[in-house]
This record gives sequence, structure tokens and C-alpha cells, in this order.
Amino acid sequence: DQQVKQNSPSLSVQEGRISILNCDYTNSMFDYFLWYKKYPAEGPTFLISISSIKDKNEDGRFTVFLNKSAKHLSLHIVPSQPGDSAVYFCAAIQGGSEKLVFGKGMKLTVNP
Amino acid sequence: KAGVTQTPRYLIKTRGQQVTLSCSPISGHRSVSWYQQTPGQGLQFLFEYFSETQRNKGNFPGRFSGRQFSNSRSEMNVSTLELGDSALYLCASSLEGTGSRAFFGQGTRLTVV
Repeated sequence: DQQVKQNSPSLSVQEGRISILNCDYTNSMFDYFLWYKKYPAEGPTFLISISSIKDKNEDGRFTVFLNKSAKHLSLHIVPSQPGDSAVYFCAAIQGGSEKLVFGKGMKLTVNP
Repeated sequence: KAGVTQTPRYLIKTRGQQVTLSCSPISGHRSVSWYQQTPGQGLQFLFEYFSETQRNKGNFPGRFSGRQFSNSRSEMNVSTLELGDSALYLCASSLEGTGSRAFFGQGTRLTVV
């Protein structure tokens, strides 16, 4: 049973435009959510996180939105840059645990 | 500050053999977690160690085991290797506490032939 879902395997956007990456979860006990970026042959790199007590967190070009009632979060990248091209993973943590539950990832391609 | 270091980076083993992978966490981090990444299953949690004790365990068979040393370095072992164990094994370290962000190493690419 997949508790964190990234339903779109890939997304292609033009440089300078907005990239919106979506993630859904089923476990209402998750209370912390993270986004990671991964290049081939490298480990995931932390991007941004959000606690379940918030609905928005912003860090530079990256903003994460959380809709708890819909069990949905999204990552917005504005403006998108070619260097943002990578696989993005959504992950969730249940309180008191260090165990990250990952989605299967989405490949973002930003075209110059 | 040095990042998470995993050795070796690449490994080829034969079915039936066993393998040990090593992870050195970021200095000061006491939690070390291991993940398996495969094309079909994505990133899956194997186990987490904190102060030499296993705190969490994922849904993997007993052939997968690990340990953590007093200096927080960790090793994971896979016995009786199967072809399906071919994967990228990632180690992550973090400070203690809920929601602490995990920092990942570059991984060990294991190929079982």
C-alpha cells in the first residue's frame, strides 16, 4: 500500500515558467513533509519541508503548499531553471519516527 | 563539515554471496537510516539506528541486517544475495528529533549477477 503518491512520472516546462509538482498521501498520522531532489548517481538532496501545522513554506524559488484536508501537497518552483532538471521525491514522516516514506519520484525537465 | 560518506560506491557480487556496506554520518549526527532504491519500488526504508540501537525497521527479509558503532558509523549486511537485491543503497544521517531533515550519501550501487 503506497502511502505517498506522486501520480505524474514526469513534467516538462520552459525555463522561466512555473513548475508545479504534486504529491498525495493517505496516512493522516504524517505530520512532516519534505521534498528532495535527486540527480543520477547521487543521493537525494533536501530542498524544503513543511510541518503539518502550516499550510505554506517558502525558500527562495521554492514554495511548498500543504492541504491537510485533501491530504495533498505541492512544490512550486518559480522561475524554473535548466539546473532544476532532476527527479523530485516527496517524503513524509510520522511523528516520533525518523522513517521517511517516499513517493516514487517525478522527473522534471526544464527546457532552455 | 564533511557530508555522509558511503563505501564502496560500486559493488558487483554473485548470487548467494554476502555483502557489507558502510556509512559514515555527518559529524554530530546520531541517527543513521538506510534505504533501498530500485526502479520498480522507488526509495524504501530498510532500518534506522540511533546510539547503536535499531529504532525502526522496514519490511525487508531477515537477510538484511545492520548495526551502528559507538562513533555513529553504520554498516548494513545482506546475506545470501539474490538478483533482486541489485539496487542503489542509500544511507542518511540526521540529528535526533521528529522532522529533522535527513542528509543522504551518494549511495552504493550493488549489482548481483
